[in-house]
Amino acid sequence: KAGVTQTPRYLIKTRGQQVTLSCSPISGHRSVSWYQQTPGQGLQFLFEYFSETQRNKGNFPGRFSGRQFSNSRSEMNVSTLELGDSALYLCASSLPGTGGPYNSPLHFGNGTRLTVT
Amino acid sequence: AQTVTQSQPEMSVQEAETVTLSCTYDTSESNYYLFWYKQPPSRQMILVIRQEAYKQQNATENRFSVNFQKAAKSFSLKISDSQLGDTAMYFCAFMKSGGSNYKLTFGKGTLLTVNP
Repeated sequence: KAGVTQTPRYLIKTRGQQVTLSCSPISGHRSVSWYQQTPGQGLQFLFEYFSETQRNKGNFPGRFSGRQFSNSRSEMNVSTLELGDSALYLCASSLPGTGGPYNSPLHFGNGTRLTVT
Repeated sequence: AQTVTQSQPEMSVQEAETVTLSCTYDTSESNYYLFWYKQPPSRQMILVIRQEAYKQQNATENRFSVNFQKAAKSFSLKISDSQLGDTAMYFCAFMKSGGSNYKLTFGKGTLLTVNP
């Protein structure tokens, strides 16, 4: 079974631009979460989608948004990029079911490395 | 809000030896889950071991085991017979149980180097 696929793997953008990152979950997984990883702040939760609905949201400005499609694929968008948005963006998928995240733990992709210049 | 603290930014161990990584957390929740993930240079986060808070028995997965002390809010990871492939960043993570919550709160990580 294919794992979580994130595209692109690397991205370089200029301040003020916007960017869209893509995540294809494991087949059958309906929950997709996004995390930002930086050396200073570590791993921080961005948001989580389930059946095309955002269920949870972290403490990020409105420039960060996401969506999920009917096939469970997800995209996240960052508008008006700032230097501080440079980070590794990780996507994780899960198969929600009985037992919650213990029995259906998160499976992560390899991430998209975003560099803002 | 929950916090997770990993007090050891870096650790090293000789191949075949045992090493313990520390993790403490702060929460007012009574039911939750704890996880250890590893992140090798390939960047992919891989689940190492998981623990439900209401289970007193410590979880074990092959060479990996945890020491879960609920009252002390401590969740340490022991790696036995360390292998070169264990070299990675290790993250301790917390998740509330119940409802539709799938948010992980991570510690800052411990970089483990296994030396030949």
